[in-house]
Amino acid sequence: DQQVKQNSPSLSVQEGRISILNCDYTNSMFDYFLWYKKYPAEGPTFLISISSIKDKNEDGRFTVFLNKSAKHLSLHIVPSQPGDSAVYFCAASGNNNDMRFGAGTRLTVKP
Amino acid sequence: DGGITQSPKYLFRKEGQNVTLSCEQNLNHDAMYWYRQDPGQGLRLIYYSQIVNDFQKGDIAEGYSVSREKKESFPLTVTSAQKNPTAFYLCASRETGGFLYEQYFGPGTRLTVT
Repeated sequence: DQQVKQNSPSLSVQEGRISILNCDYTNSMFDYFLWYKKYPAEGPTFLISISSIKDKNEDGRFTVFLNKSAKHLSLHIVPSQPGDSAVYFCAASGNNNDMRFGAGTRLTVKP
Repeated sequence: DGGITQSPKYLFRKEGQNVTLSCEQNLNHDAMYWYRQDPGQGLRLIYYSQIVNDFQKGDIAEGYSVSREKKESFPLTVTSAQKNPTAFYLCASRETGGFLYEQYFGPGTRLTVT
């Protein structure tokens, strides 16, 4: 049973516009949520995170929003740049130190 | 410099053979993890360890085994019981003591079993 879901396998946006990547989770015990960026044949790199006590966290062009009641989080990238093209993974963790990942969304930013 | 190393980058084995993937970290992290990624798929948790000499099964532990004899090392053995072992394997580590820590990943090992 997949506890973290990214229902959009791909997203294409124009350079300079906003990219919105979505993620849903089912386990109410998750209390820490992260976004990672990944290139082929490499390990993921951490982008931004949010704890369950917040509903928004911002870092430069990246903002993560958390809606606990809906068990939904999203990553906003604005403005999008061609270098942002990669696969983005949503991840969630509970207090037992496990970490579950979604299936990923491939973002393509067109010049 | 600190980080996570996985070796080798590419590994080839014959069907029916056990194979062990190496993962070493010098970040002094307590928790370590193994994930598997298949083409077009996300990362699926195989095993994780919160502390030396302790580990827990993830979502797809069948056909795999691990050990955690040292804080720095968390090797993964892919046994002959694993039905579809060909995949990209990723190791990660994480600081604990609070839950607000991200994982650091190694470069991965691509295992091909024929």
